[in-house]
Amino acid sequence: NAGVTQTPKFRVLKTGQSMTLLCAQDMNHEYMYWYRQDPGMGLRLIHYSVGEGTTAKGEVPDGYNVSRLKKQNFLLGLESAAPSQTSVYFCASRPSGLLYEQYFGPGTRLTVT
Amino acid sequence: GNSVTQMEGPVTLSEEAFLTINCTYTATGYPSLFWYVQYPGEGLQLLLKATKADDKGSNKGFEATYRKETTSFHLEKGSVQVSDSAVYFCALSYHNTGTASKLTFGTGTRLQVTL
Repeated sequence: NAGVTQTPKFRVLKTGQSMTLLCAQDMNHEYMYWYRQDPGMGLRLIHYSVGEGTTAKGEVPDGYNVSRLKKQNFLLGLESAAPSQTSVYFCASRPSGLLYEQYFGPGTRLTVT
Repeated sequence: GNSVTQMEGPVTLSEEAFLTINCTYTATGYPSLFWYVQYPGEGLQLLLKATKADDKGSNKGFEATYRKETTSFHLEKGSVQVSDSAVYFCALSYHNTGTASKLTFGTGTRLQVTL
């Protein structure tokens, strides 16, 4: 099993450009999450999904959209990138039962100039 | 709301030294508590967890005890190694219907172990 994979690993965008980050998991997990990691702030939840076709807002959703058309994939979109979105983005997934841990991908480092 | 507070880093120790990383939380009810570790250039991995008061989580020589009376979950290791150099995150979660088991993280503590 590959676990949780993220594409791309690195990206540089200019202000106003758009892009989509792809998260894929091969563990048949119901729940998936997108976080951003910024220095001194830990990880903050952007959006999450509790199943195929569902999405919900997390702590810092503004400027991002998500889609979960297939159970194994969770896409994070930036429609008009801003320098404040420069960050490292992590995807995670977990089964739907109680007491399971979240499994994290390796991250995508995004720089917006 | 819920929050997790960790000691500021970086923490620099010599190999074989004793490690403590403090973590306290603010939450209602009975959350589960976690320590995640992030090695350089990698994603987060679960290090240990505890799901109720007085539980002790342990893994790879690390341990932490869920103390409800002091709302704390301090991470300890008796003898650190260079390979333990990483960033450590304390986190909490509720495993109730409708919460999606979302994690609330502390800011992370960087540990550097030297020879």
